[in-house]
Amino acid sequence: DTGVSQDPRHKITKRGQNVTFRCDPISEHNRLYWYRQTLGQGPEFLTYFQNEAQLEKSRLLSDRFSAERPKGSFSTLEIQRTEQGDSAMYLCASSEGTGLEAFFGQGTRLTVV
Amino acid sequence: GDSVTQMEGPVTLSEEAFLTINCTYTATGYPSLFWYVQYPGEGLQLLLKATKADDKGSNKGFEATYRKETTSFHLEKGSVQVSDSAVYFCALIGSNTGKLIFGQGTTLQVKP
Repeated sequence: DTGVSQDPRHKITKRGQNVTFRCDPISEHNRLYWYRQTLGQGPEFLTYFQNEAQLEKSRLLSDRFSAERPKGSFSTLEIQRTEQGDSAMYLCASSEGTGLEAFFGQGTRLTVV
Repeated sequence: GDSVTQMEGPVTLSEEAFLTINCTYTATGYPSLFWYVQYPGEGLQLLLKATKADDKGSNKGFEATYRKETTSFHLEKGSVQVSDSAVYFCALIGSNTGKLIFGQGTTLQVKP
């Protein structure tokens, strides 16, 4: 068990570019979450999956954000046409199932210049 | 929808002082409750949890009791150490939604 892994750890991109982040959950964890965290704030829920099914996407998330979890294993989060307001830490977490604690990765820090 | 509210920080204490960080929640059904901690430069990690009313979660000297009548899950520690300096997040997983949501976090600074 190597924990939740996120890649890359840091990403600097120019405004208007697309970026994609990857999350590898703990093996056999069927639930996977994505969050966004800015300085001084708690993790803001973006979306989550039960296996390959996306159960909910935050209403705060614009259409520029999309997430997938093909085959119920790793997940990707894509941001299209990035804006400076997208600069944040993007966190991934996984859990064994409903109601059980989630384990977090180290996050991907996105800076949009 | 479900929500979590924490007391605002920062909280500054001297070493060996008593700590309380308040957390209240709004949720339908019977959520599971958690405290997560984020030490400087590190990722979020689970500190303790409680899954039903009157359960007490405990770890590293920290405790929190699931109080359904007051919809609260306050974090306490009898004697804090400098190494406890971190940001503490209260969170819940809704029993209806299965979604994990967080409070805004409370920064704790412990001075020698």
